[in-house]
Amino acid sequence: AQSVTQLGSHVSVSEGALVLLRCNYSSSVPPYLFWYVQYPNQGLQLLLKYTSAATLVKGINGFEAEFKKSETSFHLTKPSAHMSDAAEYFCAVIAVRDSNYQLIWGAGTKLIIKP
Amino acid sequence: DSGVTQTPKHLITATGQRVTLRCSPRSGDLSVYWYQQSLDQGLQFLIQYYNGEERAKGNILERFSAQQFPDLHSELNLSSLELGDSALYFCASSVGSGDLGETQYFGPGTRLLVL
Repeated sequence: AQSVTQLGSHVSVSEGALVLLRCNYSSSVPPYLFWYVQYPNQGLQLLLKYTSAATLVKGINGFEAEFKKSETSFHLTKPSAHMSDAAEYFCAVIAVRDSNYQLIWGAGTKLIIKP
Repeated sequence: DSGVTQTPKHLITATGQRVTLRCSPRSGDLSVYWYQQSLDQGLQFLIQYYNGEERAKGNILERFSAQQFPDLHSELNLSSLELGDSALYFCASSVGSGDLGETQYFGPGTRLLVL
């Protein structure tokens, strides 16, 4: 069965420092993977997605993620954190259930930016 | 702004009551998805409608039901409400039937508080 694990419910980094949010998945089909961001009191917004093309995926707001099949990982990175990056980040994988596709979500990681 | 609208933004009601949440998808999108986000359960997929028909079912309780109308807006009906139903309910839409890699666009959510 497909599942997603996000390591760390909270990650704290200083402004200007590297952001690394971890996501590991399990999937019985070639994975399609997503990162979404949720700013306070808002809905979720797609950051980037992996759909079996390039393994390094660039998204919005300077974020990127690398698909590593051998490690079953899809970690999200940003070279230099901004205060505006403070939000909750969700990793998701496509699952096949009853012949239909569904998104299976990780528990989310709250990114805290220290001034 | 994703183009997905949800009403109302906030809803406060009592246990045992019934409420209806409304969602209008982005112009041209045929699929509508409903999600529940709570502190203890995280983000849970409830149900998907595609062009008026139920397409996929997730962890939706029997007390909950949904439908999609000919103009493609959708309603989620929650009945016999319990304290544990307090959560943020999101609607998302996508252009097609939810194929692999298809992006879902999320609305701002309806925050339901059951007292």
